[in-house]
Amino acid sequence: QVQLVQSGAEVKKPGASVKVSCKTSGYMFISYGISWVRQAPGQGLEWMGWISAYNGNTNYAQKLQGRVTMTTDTSTSTAYMELRSLRSDDTAVYYCARGLTGGLDFDLWGRGTLVTVSS
Amino acid sequence: QSVLTQPPSVSAAPGQKVTISCSGSSSSIGDDFVSWYQQLPGTAPKLLIYDNSRRPSGIPDRFSGSKSGTSATLGITGLQTGDEADYYCGTWDSSLSAGVFGGGTKLTVL
Repeated sequence: QVQLVQSGAEVKKPGASVKVSCKTSGYMFISYGISWVRQAPGQGLEWMGWISAYNGNTNYAQKLQGRVTMTTDTSTSTAYMELRSLRSDDTAVYYCARGLTGGLDFDLWGRGTLVTVSS
Repeated sequence: QSVLTQPPSVSAAPGQKVTISCSGSSSSIGDDFVSWYQQLPGTAPKLLIYDNSRRPSGIPDRFSGSKSGTSATLGITGLQTGDEADYYCGTWDSSLSAGVFGGGTKLTVL
């Protein structure tokens, strides 16, 4: 079954870090890129960045540069997104999504991971 | 404020047709393909249209997409109550070197 399974919800304090995992199955992992998209409560979608599962190349949204790191583990077909120096406005549902053609077209999504940042 | 501009809401009666617009710039919609997503409450987005007008397998032909210049449009015919959702357009912005989404449009089927 082709799917992306994300790790569970997290509650973090301001200044902490969070690492969300996205385990893929049912397709050749290295053939597709993985993007991360987040959605704050009641808000729209925000593209965070992209990682090539083939060679690990990354492209991060400028506003997150320096705070976000995306990695992959080809041995387990899993992608990871780590966000550091968390702030309250990082509270959101974080989605991993498989890129279809290399643009902003994501044909497969995880169910999302709620990250709550609160003191 | 989103790089791509969508109307906050649209509405139409069951069985009717609705269109949702997405306005961008020469570096966004004018320079790359547009995708459209449907997000039902409490669920992950679902790809409806990619490459401006192509439908993934399993998406009914009630959904269509088009692009002209720096704007794109999603069309939905034969509206059903199950189509009530938020709809987002997305594309790559070459000047930002980043993916960008519209702010989303809430569709109400009256």
